[in-house]
Amino acid sequence: SQQGEEDPQALSIQEGENATMNCSYKTSINNLQWYRQNSGRGLVHLILIRSNEREKHSGRLRVTLDTSKKSSSLLITASRAADTASYFCAAGGTASKLTFGTGTRLQVTL
Amino acid sequence: GAGVSQSPRYKVAKRGQDVALRCDPISGHVSLFWYQQALGQGPEFLTYFQNEAQLDKSGLPSDRFFAERPEGSVSTLKIQRTQQEDSAVYLCASSLARFPFNTGELFFGEGSRLTVL
Repeated sequence: SQQGEEDPQALSIQEGENATMNCSYKTSINNLQWYRQNSGRGLVHLILIRSNEREKHSGRLRVTLDTSKKSSSLLITASRAADTASYFCAAGGTASKLTFGTGTRLQVTL
Repeated sequence: GAGVSQSPRYKVAKRGQDVALRCDPISGHVSLFWYQQALGQGPEFLTYFQNEAQLDKSGLPSDRFFAERPEGSVSTLKIQRTQQEDSAVYLCASSLARFPFNTGELFFGEGSRLTVL
């Protein structure tokens, strides 16, 4: 079963706007990762945040983690049409696997 | 190769047929995962290998699913007597990290799309 749920399920914005996606997970984690998937392709790793970190930046990406609320958010600033994709959070805990959420479909229009 | 390679990219099988899906991970990656992704859903864990050892197969949905990685490199996911509910994309991923004690990113292949008629 899916570990996490992303919110919203779908998001449509215009180029240049910011996009925020949220992820909630169920069990204790030692890290949380975000991945992007273009239609019909494999997943690509974006960023990893450890459980003792609260915020992390990478280029136009900003990730926050609140372990007390078991939630994370991904912010994409100044979005581009090329950011159109599905975004998944993945929780890493004591099990030998990453457990993925249900995904947010982001559409960036010109 | 430079990335994770999966074959075939597309497979159509009649119900009841056996299928084999191949994954060639990034050279030197000790960890290898298989995930199943239904349309519009996130990837669901199937099984995990560390080198040739299958350390976790808790996600395999039935005994019709079998995975192996005999030499710690290439892996094969075999599905026997396929059923319509097996239709999905099967994703392979590899990593340098040894789960769960280490953590790291997964490198995914493009997936094998299985359609069972």
